[in-house]
Amino acid sequence: DAKTTQPPSMDCAEGRAANLPCNHSTISGNEYVYWYRQIHSQGPQYIIHGLKNNETNEMASLIITEDRKSSTLILPHATLRDTAVYYCIVRGIQGAQKLVFGQGTRLTINP
Amino acid sequence: EAQVTQNPRYLITVTGKKLTVTCSQNMNHEYMSWYRQDPGLGLRQIYYSMNVEATDKGDVPEGYKVSRKEKRNFPLILESPSPNQTSLYFCASSLRVAGANVLTFGAGSRLTVL
Repeated sequence: DAKTTQPPSMDCAEGRAANLPCNHSTISGNEYVYWYRQIHSQGPQYIIHGLKNNETNEMASLIITEDRKSSTLILPHATLRDTAVYYCIVRGIQGAQKLVFGQGTRLTINP
Repeated sequence: EAQVTQNPRYLITVTGKKLTVTCSQNMNHEYMSWYRQDPGLGLRQIYYSMNVEATDKGDVPEGYKVSRKEKRNFPLILESPSPNQTSLYFCASSLRVAGANVLTFGAGSRLTVL
């Protein structure tokens, strides 16, 4: 399975867009990119996922590069409640039952 | 409300005293799993279940048992807890969405073994 690389921490001002990068240079064609977040010690929360195309939902947008080797999660108007650890996970259909969470990016939204 | 419910949320116990952490989901999900989270080690999968009577080991199954007798429940059993099982535990269930596996997590169970 493809390994992901994320910056350990990022800061963003409240009301601005938060752009969280993720590198997954060894991703294979049938592997999805998932994003989850964990606020304090709460259960991780699903945000979005994609395969090849860019995706958008009520929480965020996911931009996947054409070569699929990296992606960016965009929170368009960050609020203080978006402060959390964000996990980028890459996993194929066959191994979808075993999502592996790395260290993630600790995003701090500043007032 | 669609959710995954874990109990107890907090527990302090002693070495060797058997305990069970219950997990129940009301979304009719086939897949369920257990994770533990420790500082510096992230979330690690303990066991998972693809359906009733179908369970399999995750990355750190030692010292744990699970059962899946009915679709909604997936209890985690510690037959003889030890201090190294002090951790924050999460249960999750999932739905396949266009081939991808989207997990819904419970609120967590913080276990301390003395």
